[in-house]
Amino acid sequence: GAVVSQHPSRVICKSGTSVKIECRSLDFQATTMFWYRQFPKQSLMLMATSNEGSKATYEQGVEKDKFLINHASLTLSTLTVTSAHPEDSSFYICSARKGGPFNEQFFGPGTRLTVL
Amino acid sequence: DAKTTQPNSMESNEEEPVHLPCNHSTISGTDYIHWYRQLPSQGPEYVIHGLTSNVNNRMASLAIAEDRKSSTLILHRATLRDAAVYYCILRVPVNQAGTALIFGKGTTLSVSS
Repeated sequence: GAVVSQHPSRVICKSGTSVKIECRSLDFQATTMFWYRQFPKQSLMLMATSNEGSKATYEQGVEKDKFLINHASLTLSTLTVTSAHPEDSSFYICSARKGGPFNEQFFGPGTRLTVL
Repeated sequence: DAKTTQPNSMESNEEEPVHLPCNHSTISGTDYIHWYRQLPSQGPEYVIHGLTSNVNNRMASLAIAEDRKSSTLILHRATLRDAAVYYCILRVPVNQAGTALIFGKGTTLSVSS
């Protein structure tokens, strides 16, 4: 299967600071990338969808000014959590969709964000 | 709206087969049935997908009911490494961005030695 990487794997930051998470598709071009968030003992929740070169589309209840998404190339998307607060502490997972008839979707290993 | 229904948890013993059920009564004719699994503190891992016919790969088998309103993921010989949350997913439309995989609560599989 295709490989999706995320960096960093875990990050601890102070309240009020901004954190950037990178997501890369290593061996394929991803026209669409997704960002999910997962709180402890819960399932993944879709935050936003981004297409290369376009503005991201956010799910209801997700603040676009707080979670900045940039999809500058077919292999890279970034999520910036601005002015992070402890309630933003979560497991953030990106996913990249490969083109083709099936539109397979591959997931990154996740980034554990802890805001103190 | 996950569009699928799965039992919250199941238990199995090592080396025994495991049948994980999923109901998707509102499935449309073109919806693929996807199965992913997630180990603790990891991203979801693709397991298998199918449309109408039963499917086999090195990880599992997928049995799809004739009316497509349910499916069963079959792990032929469970190992301790198969302990994970298993998600049965249909791709759904999201905003104007097309479609995405929307996760339900999944089934937590425990495997005992």
